[in-house]
Amino acid sequence: DVKVTQSSRYLVKRTGEKVFLECVQDMDHENMFWYRQDPGLGLRLIYFSYDVKMKEKGDIPEGYSVSREKKERFSLILESASTNQTSMYLCASSLRTGGISRKNNEQFFGPGTRLTVL
Amino acid sequence: KNEVEQSPQNLTAQEGEFITINCSYSVGISALHWLQQHPGGGIVSLFMLSSGKKKHGRLIATINIQEKHSSLHITASHPRDSAVYICAVFRSPLSRLTFGEGTQLTVNP
Repeated sequence: DVKVTQSSRYLVKRTGEKVFLECVQDMDHENMFWYRQDPGLGLRLIYFSYDVKMKEKGDIPEGYSVSREKKERFSLILESASTNQTSMYLCASSLRTGGISRKNNEQFFGPGTRLTVL
Repeated sequence: KNEVEQSPQNLTAQEGEFITINCSYSVGISALHWLQQHPGGGIVSLFMLSSGKKKHGRLIATINIQEKHSSLHITASHPRDSAVYICAVFRSPLSRLTFGEGTQLTVNP
């Protein structure tokens, strides 16, 4: 079974702090994703990565950065946390696009980190 | 208008009822994902389909590519089915997903 873990389930930070959210997957997946989930808005893609040291902006990258130094780990960084970044953050991973099996695209999600910025 | 629309947004049912959740999308897709999210946040994949119908236990998912519509059915619903059900579409050729807002299902005993 694919396992995607996130460093914290709940996190409380103060405005202006630098925040690191860590995600680790154990199935050698090439693709990794960071989403945030807010009531009424659903899940929105912040950043994604198709390979080590590679990153692409998603739909809402402002105020965030990411790091992928190792294949299994994808970090989301809030350089200076703000109250509007209070949200549920979800990480996911999947095999690289392509191949015969469409199962290659299935995304596996971590348990989420509920971040509160005061 | 969202590219992926779900209906209803909220659904309350009695145990044993047959439940249908609908998903319509307005973009070209390579596949569609139905996901389940329980209180606490964890998201589990239920189905991924690009044509026809899939069944797993009491859950059935159908998709009509021409009409850009998918349905998730739950037969003989149970309180443990209470969760948020999320429809998401893969926009070929990338692995990126576009999500609906989710349907909150509550099944009362």
